[in-house]
Amino acid sequence: AQRVTQPEKLLSVFKGAPVELKCNYSYSGSPELFWYVQYSRQRLQLLLRHISRESIKGFTADLNKGETSFHLKKPFAQEEDSAMYYCALRDSNYQLIWGAGTKLIIKP
Amino acid sequence: ETGVTQTPRHLVMGMTNKKSLKCEQHLGHNAMYWYKQSAKKPLELMFVYSLEERVENNSVPSRFSPECPNSSHLFLHLHTLQPEDSALYLCASSQDGGGYNEQFFGPGTRLTVL
Repeated sequence: AQRVTQPEKLLSVFKGAPVELKCNYSYSGSPELFWYVQYSRQRLQLLLRHISRESIKGFTADLNKGETSFHLKKPFAQEEDSAMYYCALRDSNYQLIWGAGTKLIIKP
Repeated sequence: ETGVTQTPRHLVMGMTNKKSLKCEQHLGHNAMYWYKQSAKKPLELMFVYSLEERVENNSVPSRFSPECPNSSHLFLHLHTLQPEDSALYLCASSQDGGGYNEQFFGPGTRLTVL
């Protein structure tokens, strides 16, 4: 079955500390994975996609096929990173399967 | 207005009412989506339209009826809803209808069914 799991509903870290938001997936084919973010009172928006191998706002995510993971990382958290983060997988019908989301709180 | 807009932003309705949610995209995209976002649950894809034709219907109850009159507009007609249908309904659009392409989301309609 195709599935995306974000095991942490809430993650709270101090400003300046490293952040890692976990995402695991279940998919039989070659996965296409994404991270979307929703800041307070803003719309859900794309943060990054694995195929681009990019760093956005200091965040990176590496696809690990062996561990079926796509964890989102940032070495030094900033207060403006506080938001809901969603991991998503493109399925065989080219639609997105979403994780339940992780609320990230950055403490000052 | 730019991006994806949704109206109304909030809606309260009784179980016997009929109402419609509206979504409009100003991005020139050719695919539109309806999602349901409930508390503590993953985002659920309800309907997908690509080039104004419905290509996905994830076993959504018939009390939800989508309509896509053109590539810029998408409606969700609601009738005889249940309290468990209360949720945030999000509209999104993308180019080419593929999940690979970035989906742009509207602000959502917060629906409460009494």
